[in-house]
Amino acid sequence: GENVEQHPSTLSVQEGDSAVIKCTYSDSASNYFPWYKQELGKRPQLIIDIRSNVGEKKDQRIAVTLNKTAKHFSLHITETQPEDSAVYFCAASMADTGRRALTFGSGTRLQVQP
Amino acid sequence: DTGVSQNPRHKITKRGQNVTFRCDPISEHNRLYWYRQTLGQGPEFLTYFQNEAQLEKSRLLSDRFSAERPKGSFSTLEIQRTEQGDSAMYLCASSCPTPSGRSSTDTQYFGPGTRLTVL
Repeated sequence: GENVEQHPSTLSVQEGDSAVIKCTYSDSASNYFPWYKQELGKRPQLIIDIRSNVGEKKDQRIAVTLNKTAKHFSLHITETQPEDSAVYFCAASMADTGRRALTFGSGTRLQVQP
Repeated sequence: DTGVSQNPRHKITKRGQNVTFRCDPISEHNRLYWYRQTLGQGPEFLTYFQNEAQLEKSRLLSDRFSAERPKGSFSTLEIQRTEQGDSAMYLCASSCPTPSGRSSTDTQYFGPGTRLTVL
């Protein structure tokens, strides 16, 4: 089955700096890669996603890049703010085929220091 | 509230008891997923429904776990003879395939979860 590895497990940055979180996946058939933000005690919330036919996607301060050959994808947050502090999870699935279940990484705890 | 809802939000039970959780998906979402999340880990997939059909089950879903979605709307997850290792947050998500060009995105939206504590 699919295996998703996520690094780093914790990340501390100063407000205004950029943050990068990286994930690798094992199943080359995976074609959908969402990122979720989870604040303490709350539900995971989708912040951005990318499909395998796209190399990069951006939404304001958040961007995701995908390298299908290397089977890795990254989340980039620019101009970080204290409210960006949360746990971020990457995930992978085959959205158009039978395996629709998301396989999640182990999470990155991002702390933005004011 | 038009998001995914789950009840109860918290459940404390004694080892050996049965528990049942309910998930109400976003209206008209035909796909419903159950995940389990333990402290410090990402959600782990348990099972998935498309309408009332259970199409996929994880090997994590032991014989003590059963899920139903009888009318293709809400779903229930039952755990029989609970064990301390069952203590976790049980998350439900729903999705509705959105055609985009030649393929769909099938974004999954999560509910707030039911936190189970087995004493």
